[in-house]
Amino acid sequence: NAGVTQTPKFRVLKTGQSMTLLCAQDMNHEYMYWYRQDPGMGLRLIHYSVGEGTTAKGEVPDGYNVSRLKKQNFLLGLESAAPSQTSVYFCASSSSPQDTGLLLNEQFFGPGTRLTVL
Amino acid sequence: AQKITQTQPGMFVQEKEAVTLDCTYDTSDPSYGLFWYKQPSSGEMIFLIYQGSYDQQNATEGRYSLNFQKARKSANLVISASQLGDSAMYFCAMREITGAGGTSYGKLTFGQGTILTVHP
Repeated sequence: NAGVTQTPKFRVLKTGQSMTLLCAQDMNHEYMYWYRQDPGMGLRLIHYSVGEGTTAKGEVPDGYNVSRLKKQNFLLGLESAAPSQTSVYFCASSSSPQDTGLLLNEQFFGPGTRLTVL
Repeated sequence: AQKITQTQPGMFVQEKEAVTLDCTYDTSDPSYGLFWYKQPSSGEMIFLIYQGSYDQQNATEGRYSLNFQKARKSANLVISASQLGDSAMYFCAMREITGAGGTSYGKLTFGQGTILTVHP
């Protein structure tokens, strides 16, 4: 049981390049999230998904796209990277309140991807 | 408006002593959950403790306890008997049940974090 994994762990891009970050979870969770963490700030939600085939915007969605073609995977894409997107990216997953009937739906986080855009 | 406020950018504590990390929150949703996560220098996010808005008693998990004062909208983390391994960034986060448009999606809103340093 690997939990939440992220690929790659580190990446350096040049301005204008594109890339895709992959998040995978093996806990059969319905909900998945992408956050970014910048120095001096907490995590901010980029996009999220409440189930296979559905995605929605979070707090800071501009410049990113996502897809959830399979329940276990959540992809984050940068079409044209900018230096402002230099950050640490975290993926997370959780069961849905509808599934558990509980308020507690702990989000399980991946190890993070450190992205630098030059 | 800030939904989660952690007013202590950094805290220092002596090993074996207790320390309180402050967190205040703002919500009009009657159903919400409050979480604390630990982020060591290695970068991973580690779940520590949870408090539900309807829970009558303060949550405890080993050396961690949550001092929940609903009327004051505060959810302070108390770490007892600090250890050197407790040195890390600590984040308070809130999950509201009702999202935008009435859709529940369990989004976590994080505070800016508090860096805790434990001295030997």
